Amino acid sequence: QQQVKQSPQSLIVQKGGISIINCAYENTAFDYFPWYQQFPGKGPALLIAIRPDVSEKKEGRFTISFNKSAKQFSLHIMDSQPGDSATYFCAASREETSGSRLTFGEGTQLTVNP
Amino acid sequence: DSGVTQTPKHLITATGQRVTLRCSPRSGDLSVYWYQQSLDQGLQFLIQYYNGEERAKGNILERFSAQQFPDLHSELNLSSLELGDSALYFCASVRGGAEITQYFGPGTRLTVL
Repeated sequence: QQQVKQSPQSLIVQKGGISIINCAYENTAFDYFPWYQQFPGKGPALLIAIRPDVSEKKEGRFTISFNKSAKQFSLHIMDSQPGDSATYFCAASREETSGSRLTFGEGTQLTVNP
Repeated sequence: DSGVTQTPKHLITATGQRVTLRCSPRSGDLSVYWYQQSLDQGLQFLIQYYNGEERAKGNILERFSAQQFPDLHSELNLSSLELGDSALYFCASVRGGAEITQYFGPGTRLTVL
């Protein structure tokens, strides 16, 4: 019930291409969906986040598409650059009085070739 | 730089030992979350503290415990260590209230030999 499924596990894209990573969740109580970017040896860093009342959110080259009825959301990276090579995690949380623990997907290792 | 600090960066110890990992949240953040990142389990929530009090527990073993001190720094204590406890341990801090973004520290890499 608390799982978030992420695909693909790894992705190789050419410079300038579009990278697409997909996630699906089960718990309809989730109300916050962030994407984190992690470089080797570093902690995850928030990239972009969306709430379920919005179907799309764009920040620069990064876009989240959200489909509430399908319980799916995806990250699109436009004009992918070698510097985007990292591991990307989708996550979901439910805002509660006790806090908002994040449930993470399994991660996608993105490689952008020059 | 997220503003969250964790020490030590690396820790190598033997099975059966006990270690303490330290986290200092961003200035003004009241809440600290601990996560474990391993190859087989991914990123898993362990425990959360808010202003010194435990607020939520996740997949935290009984051999593990944590606390948050009056200056808001937090410590994660791992005892009777097993090989399978080898992982990256992250803390994340949150301002609280309407602000729910979690800012992660650089992590502590624990190796149990």
